Amino acid sequence: ETGVTQTPRHLVMGMTNKKSLKCEQHLGHNAMYWYKQSAKKPLELMFVYSLEERVENNSVPSRFSPECPNSSHLFLHLHTLQPEDSALYLCASSQDGVAGLHFGPGTRLTVL
Amino acid sequence: GIQVEQSPPDLILQEGANSTLRCNFSDSVNNLQWFHQNPWGQLINLFYIPSGTKQNGRLSATTVATERYSLLYISSSQTTDSGVYFCAVSVRGAQKLVFGQGTRLTINP
Repeated sequence: ETGVTQTPRHLVMGMTNKKSLKCEQHLGHNAMYWYKQSAKKPLELMFVYSLEERVENNSVPSRFSPECPNSSHLFLHLHTLQPEDSALYLCASSQDGVAGLHFGPGTRLTVL
Repeated sequence: GIQVEQSPPDLILQEGANSTLRCNFSDSVNNLQWFHQNPWGQLINLFYIPSGTKQNGRLSATTVATERYSLLYISSSQTTDSGVYFCAVSVRGAQKLVFGQGTRLTINP
């Protein structure tokens, strides 16, 4: 699927670094999501944006900061992360609710 | 919150075999989806099936909402079917999907 793209695909960062993950959807959807997938754990919803407004923040630490400048782009800004934040970060989009969720390929993040 | 349990956690089969994956959920849902995650991490939406039965080629799914379970059937398995299969649900009014832990399927040639 190329409807949702994510960059970078792989990222290695130190605990003092600041980096950003980017997501772009080409499907004309009006909602975008960040999910975290850690080893041996179910996918966890982090943030939901609907019509560019954040509608869900699932008790995510403040070292993760989302930004949705328009309905096609979503960012996840990272700073002072911990090694336990290493995971696959997945972006998704949908139209009018969560039915028909389309995922991007993910960014595999390693925090040293 | 709603709980989603998938079984079995792991399944290893030979090419050509059939398989049945199960998803149980703890509350009434208005949305149930099945996803396949390939070995490279890409999640593909297979079915949106809050109730009833759907078929797409070798794959089919059935959800019995009143009994709070869904089944995913894979017939004549191929090695490309390998990966992790996730069930995800949401309740009425919620804008989030709750995922199960997944079933890891390995199809050997």
